[in-house]
Amino acid sequence: GAVVSQHPSRVICKSGTSVKIECRSLDFQATTMFWYRQFPKQSLMLMATSNEGSKATYEQGVEKDKFLINHASLTLSTLTVTSAHPEDSSFYICSATRQAGGSYEQYFGPGTRLTVT
Amino acid sequence: GQNIDQPTEMTATEGAIVQINCTYQTSGFNGLFWYQQHAGEAPTFLSYNVLDGLEEKGRFSSFLSRSKGYSYLLLKELQMKDSASYLCAVKDSNYQLIWGAGTKLIIKP
Repeated sequence: GAVVSQHPSRVICKSGTSVKIECRSLDFQATTMFWYRQFPKQSLMLMATSNEGSKATYEQGVEKDKFLINHASLTLSTLTVTSAHPEDSSFYICSATRQAGGSYEQYFGPGTRLTVT
Repeated sequence: GQNIDQPTEMTATEGAIVQINCTYQTSGFNGLFWYQQHAGEAPTFLSYNVLDGLEEKGRFSSFLSRSKGYSYLLLKELQMKDSASYLCAVKDSNYQLIWGAGTKLIIKP
Protein backbone atom coordinates (compact mmCIF):
# COMPACT_ATOMS: atom_id res chain seq x y z
CA GLY A 1 0.00 0.00 0.00
CA ALA A 2 0.89 3.62 -0.25
CA VAL A 3 3.34 4.86 2.33
CA VAL A 4 3.98 8.32 3.62
CA SER A 5 7.06 9.00 5.72
CA GLN A 6 8.05 11.89 7.91
CA HIS A 7 11.48 12.94 9.08
CA PRO A 8 12.49 13.40 11.77
CA SER A 9 10.17 11.34 13.93
CA ARG A 10 10.99 13.49 16.92
CA VAL A 11 13.01 16.63 17.42
CA ILE A 12 13.95 18.81 20.36
CA CYS A 13 15.03 22.36 19.68
CA LYS A 14 15.72 25.51 21.64
CA SER A 15 13.36 28.43 21.67
CA GLY A 16 14.08 30.85 18.83
CA THR A 17 15.52 28.29 16.44
CA SER A 18 13.92 26.89 13.30
CA VAL A 19 13.01 23.30 12.61
CA LYS A 20 12.29 21.62 9.29
CA ILE A 21 10.02 18.59 8.99
CA GLU A 22 9.90 16.55 5.79
CA CYS A 23 6.95 14.62 4.42
CA ARG A 24 7.52 12.16 1.60
CA SER A 25 5.22 9.95 -0.40
CA LEU A 26 7.35 6.89 -0.96
CA ASP A 27 5.64 5.04 -3.77
CA PHE A 28 3.33 7.50 -5.42
CA GLN A 29 3.15 11.08 -6.61
CA ALA A 30 1.06 13.23 -4.36
CA THR A 31 -0.99 15.90 -6.02
CA THR A 32 -1.72 17.49 -2.69
CA MET A 33 -0.22 17.25 0.77
CA PHE A 34 -1.77 18.41 4.01
CA TRP A 35 -0.18 19.42 7.28
CA TYR A 36 -1.97 18.83 10.58
CA ARG A 37 -1.24 19.51 14.19
CA GLN A 38 -2.47 17.04 16.78
CA PHE A 39 -3.04 18.07 20.35
CA PRO A 40 -2.81 15.37 23.04
CA LYS A 41 -5.77 12.98 22.67
CA GLN A 42 -7.54 15.51 20.53
CA SER A 43 -8.42 16.45 17.04
CA LEU A 44 -6.24 16.87 14.04
CA MET A 45 -6.17 20.54 13.24
CA LEU A 46 -5.58 21.24 9.57
CA MET A 47 -2.86 23.82 9.24
CA ALA A 48 -2.39 24.11 5.50
CA THR A 49 -2.88 22.52 2.13
CA SER A 50 0.17 22.20 -0.07
CA ASN A 51 0.06 21.79 -3.84
CA GLU A 52 3.20 21.04 -5.79
CA GLY A 53 4.64 24.10 -7.46
CA SER A 54 2.28 26.61 -5.89
CA LYS A 55 1.92 28.46 -2.64
CA ALA A 56 0.35 26.66 0.27
CA THR A 57 -3.15 27.53 1.40
CA TYR A 58 -3.22 28.22 5.12
CA GLU A 59 -6.18 27.75 7.42
CA GLN A 60 -7.49 30.67 9.38
CA GLY A 61 -5.41 31.39 12.43
CA VAL A 62 -2.26 29.69 11.14
CA GLU A 63 0.64 32.11 10.65
CA LYS A 64 2.13 31.52 7.22
CA ASP A 65 5.33 33.37 8.12
CA LYS A 66 5.85 31.11 11.10
CA PHE A 67 4.94 27.81 9.48
CA LEU A 68 6.68 27.83 6.11
CA ILE A 69 5.55 25.14 3.70
CA ASN A 70 7.40 24.19 0.57
CA HIS A 71 6.13 21.58 -1.86
CA ALA A 72 9.10 21.29 -4.14
CA SER A 73 8.17 18.05 -5.87
CA LEU A 74 5.31 15.61 -6.19
CA THR A 75 6.85 13.44 -3.48
CA LEU A 76 8.14 15.95 -0.96
CA SER A 77 6.66 18.69 1.16
CA THR A 78 8.45 20.42 4.02
CA LEU A 79 7.14 22.31 7.01
CA THR A 80 9.55 24.72 8.67
CA VAL A 81 8.64 26.06 12.08
CA THR A 82 10.50 29.35 12.31
CA SER A 83 11.55 30.99 15.56
CA ALA A 84 9.99 28.14 17.49
CA HIS A 85 8.50 28.75 20.93
CA PRO A 86 7.46 26.27 23.63
CA GLU A 87 3.81 26.67 22.61
CA ASP A 88 4.72 25.24 19.20
CA SER A 89 5.54 21.94 20.89
CA SER A 90 3.16 19.46 19.37
CA PHE A 91 2.72 16.44 17.16
CA TYR A 92 2.75 17.38 13.47
CA ILE A 93 1.26 15.02 10.90
CA CYS A 94 1.26 15.21 7.16
CA SER A 95 -0.90 13.42 4.66
CA ALA A 96 -0.55 12.93 0.94
CA THR A 97 -3.28 12.51 -1.63
CA ARG A 98 -2.99 10.12 -4.53
CA GLN A 99 -5.32 10.19 -7.45
CA ALA A 100 -6.58 6.68 -8.16
CA GLY A 101 -8.96 6.39 -11.04
CA GLY A 102 -11.65 8.94 -10.50
CA SER A 103 -11.14 9.26 -6.77
CA TYR A 104 -8.57 10.60 -4.39
CA GLU A 105 -7.02 8.50 -1.63
CA GLN A 106 -5.43 10.14 1.36
CA TYR A 107 -2.55 8.55 3.26
CA PHE A 108 -1.23 9.79 6.59
CA GLY A 109 2.32 9.98 7.85
CA PRO A 110 3.47 8.69 11.25
CA GLY A 111 3.91 12.16 12.66
CA THR A 112 6.76 14.24 14.09
CA ARG A 113 6.93 15.13 17.74
CA LEU A 114 8.38 18.61 18.22
CA THR A 115 9.50 19.73 21.64
CA VAL A 116 10.70 23.32 22.04
CA THR A 117 12.64 24.02 25.22
CA GLY B 1 6.16 -5.11 10.63
CA GLN B 2 3.45 -2.87 11.93
CA ASN B 3 0.00 -3.24 10.50
CA ILE B 4 -3.56 -2.10 11.00
CA ASP B 5 -6.46 -3.86 9.32
CA GLN B 6 -9.96 -2.56 8.85
CA PRO B 7 -12.59 -3.38 6.24
CA THR B 8 -12.36 -1.37 3.05
CA GLU B 9 -16.06 -0.67 2.74
CA MET B 10 -19.28 -1.32 4.62
CA THR B 11 -22.90 -0.61 3.82
CA ALA B 12 -25.68 -0.08 6.35
CA THR B 13 -29.24 1.19 6.48
CA GLU B 14 -30.37 4.48 7.96
CA GLY B 15 -31.51 4.00 11.56
CA ALA B 16 -29.59 0.76 11.99
CA ILE B 17 -26.38 -0.08 13.90
CA VAL B 18 -23.00 -0.77 12.36
CA GLN B 19 -19.73 -2.00 13.88
CA ILE B 20 -16.43 -1.20 12.22
CA ASN B 21 -13.60 -3.44 13.36
CA CYS B 22 -9.92 -2.63 13.56
CA THR B 23 -7.13 -5.08 14.37
CA TYR B 24 -3.56 -4.02 14.88
CA GLN B 25 -0.07 -5.42 15.25
CA THR B 26 2.32 -2.73 16.42
CA SER B 27 5.53 -2.43 18.35
CA GLY B 28 4.07 -1.23 21.59
CA PHE B 29 0.83 0.59 22.22
CA ASN B 30 0.12 4.10 23.40
CA GLY B 31 -3.48 4.54 22.45
CA LEU B 32 -5.91 4.01 19.61
CA PHE B 33 -7.77 6.74 17.76
CA TRP B 34 -10.87 6.72 15.61
CA TYR B 35 -11.44 9.54 13.14
CA GLN B 36 -14.30 10.31 10.77
CA GLN B 37 -13.45 11.86 7.44
CA HIS B 38 -15.89 13.18 4.89
CA ALA B 39 -14.61 13.46 1.35
CA GLY B 40 -12.54 16.58 0.86
CA GLU B 41 -12.49 17.46 4.55
CA ALA B 42 -10.03 17.05 7.40
CA PRO B 43 -10.53 14.08 9.73
CA THR B 44 -12.72 14.69 12.76
CA PHE B 45 -11.71 13.15 16.06
CA LEU B 46 -14.19 10.60 17.38
CA SER B 47 -12.50 8.71 20.18
CA TYR B 48 -9.30 7.80 21.95
CA ASN B 49 -8.90 4.51 23.85
CA VAL B 50 -5.87 3.62 25.89
CA LEU B 51 -7.45 1.25 28.41
CA ASP B 52 -9.52 -1.84 27.73
CA GLY B 53 -13.24 -1.48 27.60
CA LEU B 54 -16.05 0.43 26.01
CA GLU B 55 -16.29 4.20 25.81
CA GLU B 56 -19.61 5.70 24.81
CA LYS B 57 -20.17 9.13 23.35
CA GLY B 58 -23.71 9.66 22.23
CA ARG B 59 -24.43 7.57 19.15
CA PHE B 60 -20.80 6.51 18.85
CA SER B 61 -18.99 3.99 21.06
CA SER B 62 -15.47 2.62 20.83
CA PHE B 63 -14.17 -0.60 22.32
CA LEU B 64 -10.61 -1.72 22.94
CA SER B 65 -9.00 -5.03 23.83
CA ARG B 66 -5.24 -4.62 24.08
CA SER B 67 -4.60 -8.32 24.62
CA LYS B 68 -6.37 -9.11 21.35
CA GLY B 69 -5.05 -6.12 19.41
CA TYR B 70 -8.62 -5.27 18.57
CA SER B 71 -10.93 -2.31 18.57
CA TYR B 72 -14.30 -1.51 17.13
CA LEU B 73 -16.30 1.61 16.50
CA LEU B 74 -20.04 1.20 17.00
CA LEU B 75 -22.42 3.64 15.37
CA LYS B 76 -26.06 3.58 16.43
CA GLU B 77 -29.16 5.15 14.92
CA LEU B 78 -27.34 5.70 11.68
CA GLN B 79 -27.98 8.90 9.80
CA MET B 80 -27.23 9.71 6.20
CA LYS B 81 -24.58 12.19 7.34
CA ASP B 82 -22.65 9.29 8.87
CA SER B 83 -21.64 8.27 5.36
CA ALA B 84 -17.89 8.85 5.50
CA SER B 85 -14.56 7.12 5.88
CA TYR B 86 -13.60 5.95 9.35
CA LEU B 87 -9.92 5.81 10.18
CA CYS B 88 -8.32 3.70 12.89
CA ALA B 89 -4.86 4.78 14.08
CA VAL B 90 -2.56 3.43 16.79
CA LYS B 91 0.34 5.17 18.52
CA ASP B 92 3.22 2.75 18.91
CA SER B 93 5.95 2.62 21.55
CA ASN B 94 7.71 5.57 19.89
CA TYR B 95 4.46 7.54 19.79
CA GLN B 96 4.40 7.26 16.02
CA LEU B 97 0.97 6.97 14.45
CA ILE B 98 0.24 3.84 12.46
CA TRP B 99 -2.78 4.40 10.24
CA GLY B 100 -5.34 2.00 8.89
CA ALA B 101 -6.44 2.50 5.29
CA GLY B 102 -9.88 3.58 6.43
CA THR B 103 -13.34 2.06 6.10
CA LYS B 104 -15.75 3.70 3.71
CA LEU B 105 -19.21 3.55 5.26
CA ILE B 106 -22.17 3.89 2.93
CA ILE B 107 -25.56 4.59 4.48
CA LYS B 108 -28.64 3.74 2.45
CA PRO B 109 -32.16 5.04 3.11
